[in-house]
Amino acid sequence: ETGVTQTPRHLVMGMTNKKSLKCEQHLGHNAMYWYKQSAKKPLELMFVYNFKEQTENNSVPSRFSPECPNSSHLFLHLHTLQPEDSALYLCASRGESATNEKLFFGSGTQLSVL
Amino acid sequence: DQQVKQNSPSLSVQEGRISILNCDYTNSMFDYFLWYKKYPAEGPTFLISISSIKDKNEDGRFTVFLNKSAKHLSLHIVPSQPGDSAVYFCAAKHSGTYKYIFGTGTRLKVLA
Repeated sequence: ETGVTQTPRHLVMGMTNKKSLKCEQHLGHNAMYWYKQSAKKPLELMFVYNFKEQTENNSVPSRFSPECPNSSHLFLHLHTLQPEDSALYLCASRGESATNEKLFFGSGTQLSVL
Repeated sequence: DQQVKQNSPSLSVQEGRISILNCDYTNSMFDYFLWYKKYPAEGPTFLISISSIKDKNEDGRFTVFLNKSAKHLSLHIVPSQPGDSAVYFCAAKHSGTYKYIFGTGTRLKVLA
């Protein structure tokens, strides 16, 4: 248990659906991340939030819409996705300390777009 | 442009022997490097890290070496155990940011 919880664990959606992924961290961290892992590709950074402000958007298509209402919660709103968006979506967090710069990951949401 | 590269997609090692996983990077602005282990359908778990001001960090069976001039880091696991079988990712952090870039991973299989 890493202290980062993602729901749901699995999600199947059609291309016209709207769904949301949720991430919650209980570590008192200030930064939260969305990564995407597709088969045989590196973990791709999507978004970074620091103290609720977005600091990185890695050229992510607008059909992915992040929301960070506070430092403990992060959402990824999905709409009109494509089959190639099927992947494992990982949330991570880190604290502010310069002496402890590791990311803590959740278990991920396995997304299938039909 | 792949800034962090793990050129070996897979590695098989006999139990008890040393496993050496390699990682190369291109960006000299990286100041912190990490290794993660990942099992299928789970999130990556942190193994060990190293700051760019060091060349070696050791934690139990795991040692990370950093060669800044070659822009290369490696993870040594000694002795390797069957439970070490997983995918290993190296990651690098941009200096002054919270941005982490990951490699493609190396699948390690430790044979009993």
